[in-house]
Amino acid sequence: EADIYQTPRYLVIGTGKKITLECSQTMGHDKMYWYQQDPGMELHLIHYSYGVNSTEKGDLSSESTVSRIRTEHFPLTLESARPSHTSQYLCASSYTGVNSPLHFGNGTRLTVT
Amino acid sequence: GQQVMQIPQYQHVQEGEDFTTYCNSSTTLSNIQWYKQRPGGHPVFLIQLVKSGEVKKQKRLTFQFGEAKKNSSLHITATQTTDVGTYFCAGLRSNYQLIWGAGTKLIIKP
Repeated sequence: EADIYQTPRYLVIGTGKKITLECSQTMGHDKMYWYQQDPGMELHLIHYSYGVNSTEKGDLSSESTVSRIRTEHFPLTLESARPSHTSQYLCASSYTGVNSPLHFGNGTRLTVT
Repeated sequence: GQQVMQIPQYQHVQEGEDFTTYCNSSTTLSNIQWYKQRPGGHPVFLIQLVKSGEVKKQKRLTFQFGEAKKNSSLHITATQTTDVGTYFCAGLRSNYQLIWGAGTKLIIKP
């Protein structure tokens, strides 16, 4: 069911580096989301978008930015990676309707050394 | 602010025993969604409940939405090893954002 793609799957990077996590979906969904999740723990919303040129901050948006230039693409950028950013990052998308479920990508597991 | 409390955090069961997880919101929800995340995987949508008092079944899984639309439960009858994972509820806020529960991890005892 790989309709939403995240790359890279795993990333190990040093402190202070700038990184971009990629997310693309082929379902034509207007809404897209980024979540941070430590293994087996709750999901924290970082950023979301209602459509092209729309970006909103979630509950945990500090130190990261997103862009939505194309409907299908929603990259997340960390300007300066820190060990506290070590986590799994999940991208999701949905239709605009209030009853639309989220479809998640496989995630990017980030380790900052 | 609005929160969704999910309990228990973990539930250890013998294979064949039942499993239940509960979600409670401080305010009325427009709807509630349930997701399952297998170990090492990503959340996968299971079902959505919209109406007050709604009950839906998927094979051995029974989902309920409370009359006041503030609580919900997921019950699995006769658990199997394929049921292992973390079950999340997510309630829809008045501003149309999802509030996620912390998840309940289903663990099958060896």
